[in-house]
Amino acid sequence: DAGVIQSPRHEVTEMGQEVTLRCKPISGHNSLFWYRQTMMRGLELLIYFNNNVPIDDSGMPEDRFSAKMPNASFSTLKIQPSEPRDSAVYFCASRTFRTERENEQFFGPGTRLTVL
Amino acid sequence: EDQVTQSPEALRLQEGESSSLNCSYTVSGLRGLFWYRQDPGKGPEFLFTLYSAGEEKEKERLKATLTKKESFLHITAPKPEDSATYLCAVIIQGAQKLVFGQGTRLTINP
Repeated sequence: DAGVIQSPRHEVTEMGQEVTLRCKPISGHNSLFWYRQTMMRGLELLIYFNNNVPIDDSGMPEDRFSAKMPNASFSTLKIQPSEPRDSAVYFCASRTFRTERENEQFFGPGTRLTVL
Repeated sequence: EDQVTQSPEALRLQEGESSSLNCSYTVSGLRGLFWYRQDPGKGPEFLFTLYSAGEEKEKERLKATLTKKESFLHITAPKPEDSATYLCAVIIQGAQKLVFGQGTRLTINP
């Protein structure tokens, strides 16, 4: 298995521009998570989906952030308009959720976003 | 509020010098505790899951243990390739999301 795939790996943009991050989860996994990692705040959950349905978006910082999962093999995280404080590494993770004990999440390589 | 605290923030050891990393948690009903390893420029890599106090898991030079208040990641005779940031996370009853600690940055000098 190729693992969780994220693109792009690096993104540099200017303040006010729209940014779209992409994620392909591991095949067969039915939960998908978007995280943001910064030095100050560590790894924070933004939103997660079960079976393509958003379950908890309480971590999304503000309305400028939106996430979609149109099918089981693809998700996007969009920031519009972007601001310098959005600069961080964004991770996507996926998990199979067949039993109570299967909670391990598997992370992608991340997208390093820099907003100038 | 559910909280996960890792200590120390950073640890520098000589190759072969065993030590332990700590993860203490204050949560309203623990459903599982996870250890991840993160190398620079990469995503966290899953290591262990622990579900109940007294449980232990081992993998090569690493052993994770769990009590009702904390978890330890013991590293025995570490090698330079064990250098990484080690993250602890918990999942609580009634929830599906992980709450992460800030991590311990481990450096093993040859």
